[in-house]
Amino acid sequence: EVQLLESGGGLVQPGGSLRLSCRASGFTFSTYAMGWVRQAPGKGLESVSGISASGDSTIYTDSVKGRFTISRDNSESTLYLQMNSLRAEDTALYYCAKAHSTSWGPFDSWGQGALVTVSS
Amino acid sequence: EIVLTQSPATLSLSPGERATLSCRVSQSVSSYLAWYQQKPGQAPRLLIYDASNRATGIPARFSGSGSGTDFTLTISSLEPEDFAVYYCQQRYNWPLTFGGGTKVEIK
Repeated sequence: EVQLLESGGGLVQPGGSLRLSCRASGFTFSTYAMGWVRQAPGKGLESVSGISASGDSTIYTDSVKGRFTISRDNSESTLYLQMNSLRAEDTALYYCAKAHSTSWGPFDSWGQGALVTVSS
Repeated sequence: EIVLTQSPATLSLSPGERATLSCRVSQSVSSYLAWYQQKPGQAPRLLIYDASNRATGIPARFSGSGSGTDFTLTISSLEPEDFAVYYCQQRYNWPLTFGGGTKVEIK
């Protein structure tokens, strides 16, 4: 059974940093692209970032470019999202998601989410 | 950025009825469209990928159709557990944009 377990969420002041982690199990992590999708309270879904299976290709939505960095450790089956210069509009539940194949999407497995709150 | 517009915003139906959800896309995405179901307090669940392929474990009452810019998700006979919010998503190019969602509620 595929399992994705996020950690690292919390309350941070504007301008601060957080690092989200997503520990994967139940599948061969190194053969699938992965991504982060966020959902602001009461709102819809937004793709934040994606990373190829090998980790050599990454992609970001415009609003987080230059502030967020996605990475992965295939030896530890773990996905990361380093978030710097956080803004109030980054407040959301951040889901770790597994791509259906080696392409960027769609996402066939999701974690339960890590809540990030940016507020003073 | 590719924009996805879902309609209607809310669909009020009774169990056993047929649900038809629409997703219109601002430019052609070929067949690279997926549908997800999300229930309150839960993560989204992939239902359909590449327009018409059911994901693993998804019941046959869920079906998808369309290509290019117009897509449809059909639930042939609503079960009590199908009342939820449904999102479409394109994977034609980044960012992988989602529609605003259709809420299927009990009438």
